Amino acid sequence: AQRVTQPEKLLSVFKGAPVELKCNYSYSGSPELFWYVQYSRQRLQLLLRHISRESIKGFTADLNKGETSFHLKKPFAQEEDSAMYYCALSPYGGATNKLIFGTGTLLAVQP
Amino acid sequence: GAVVSQHPSRVICKSGTSVKIECRSLDFQATTMFWYRQFPKQSLMLMATSNEGSKATYEQGVEKDKFLINHASLTLSTLTVTSAHPEDSSFYICSARPSRGHTNTEAFFGQGTRLTVV
Repeated sequence: AQRVTQPEKLLSVFKGAPVELKCNYSYSGSPELFWYVQYSRQRLQLLLRHISRESIKGFTADLNKGETSFHLKKPFAQEEDSAMYYCALSPYGGATNKLIFGTGTLLAVQP
Repeated sequence: GAVVSQHPSRVICKSGTSVKIECRSLDFQATTMFWYRQFPKQSLMLMATSNEGSKATYEQGVEKDKFLINHASLTLSTLTVTSAHPEDSSFYICSARPSRGHTNTEAFFGQGTRLTVV
C-alpha cells in the first residue's frame, strides 16, 4: 500500500535551533517525494522535491531509499518557518500523477 | 508561479441540496486536476482525479454519484456535492498540474472551499 507517515503532529523549537521534520513512506516502486508547506491562511505550496536536490529557504531533504525516509531539515530555524508541513509521495511518473499526503507536522518556532 | 482559483471559498447549504465548487487554472492549461478533502487537523485525502474530456477516476471509497466531477475544459473542473448532508461538511481543495511549460511534477493548489451543510 502507498502510504506517507509523519509521526509528529507538532514540533516546537526555539529560533536558531535545528529542525528535522520526519517523513517515512511505503511504496514498492520508485516514487517521487515532495515537501509542501502551508503558511497561516495561505494555500498549500511546494517547498521542495527530491529530484531537484535543492535547498529552499534553508531547508533540505534527502531521499533515503534504504530507510524509506525523506526527512526535512534546516540547521537554524526562523520564526517565519512556522507553518504546517506536509510530506507527499507521487507514485507514478508523468504530469498526470496524483499526490499522497502525510498527516502533516505543525512547526512552531518560538522567539 | 501558476495560479489555481477555487470558487466559492466558503459555502453554507441546507441538507439535501447540491453544491457546485469550481476550480480554475488561471494562467495555464491542465489536462488533469485533482480534488482533495481535508477534515479538521487531518491530512488531505485524494478524492478523485479529474481528466479533461473524459470520466473522472475516483479513489476507493469515494461515491462517484455523490461527488460529481466535470472537467469540460483545460482550465476548469467542477465538483458537485449532490444531496449534501452534514457529514459532507469539510474543506475541499483542488490542484492542477500544467500540461506543459512547467516542471511536470509540480502541482498548484487552490485556496480551498469550506463547505458547511446545515
